[in-house]
Amino acid sequence: DQQVKQNSPSLSVQEGRISILNCDYTNSMFDYFLWYKKYPAEGPTFLISISSIKDKNEDGRFTVFLNKSAKHLSLHIVPSQPGDSAVYFCAASDNFGNEKLTFGTGTRLTIIP
Amino acid sequence: NAGVTQTPKFRILKIGQSMTLQCTQDMNHNYMYWYRQDPGMGLKLIYYSVGAGITDKGEVPNGYNVSRSTTEDFPLRLELAAPSQTSVYFCASRPFTGLIEAFFGQGTRLTVV
Repeated sequence: DQQVKQNSPSLSVQEGRISILNCDYTNSMFDYFLWYKKYPAEGPTFLISISSIKDKNEDGRFTVFLNKSAKHLSLHIVPSQPGDSAVYFCAASDNFGNEKLTFGTGTRLTIIP
Repeated sequence: NAGVTQTPKFRILKIGQSMTLQCTQDMNHNYMYWYRQDPGMGLKLIYYSVGAGITDKGEVPNGYNVSRSTTEDFPLRLELAAPSQTSVYFCASRPFTGLIEAFFGQGTRLTVV
């Protein structure tokens, strides 16, 4: 039972354009969401997060949007840069402060110069 | 700061052999985790610990054991290696309060033949 779903295994975007990565979840108890970025042969690194009391969080070129009614979140990267090419994982936690993170399957983003 | 350090980076095991994947963190984090990532899949939680002396099972604990005798170390033990345990293993940690986001090690790529 995949509680966090990333339905696009891959995405290619031109440099300078907007990249939009999507994530859906099924567990209505999830109340904190995170995006991680992973380069080959490295561990995931934290990118940005959002709690369920917000619908948007912005950090530089990265913005995460949360639509609780649709159980959907998205990560926007503007403008996209070659260094953004990586695998992006969506993750969720329930009961803010709960120990466990549930991860999606990841989306491989390729930025085309 | 070294952060989360995993050893070894690569290992090939024969079926039935045993080994311990080492994980240590120098951030004084209470929570520590072991995840595995199979190709095309997200990260699956194997075991986690909320502090020294306390461990609990995640989604996929079968075939693994852990211990947490100190805050810093969280080794993962494979007793009878099976081909199904071929995967990339990630250790992570986070503090008890404040940050939800976990910090990951660089991973151990394990092949069981």
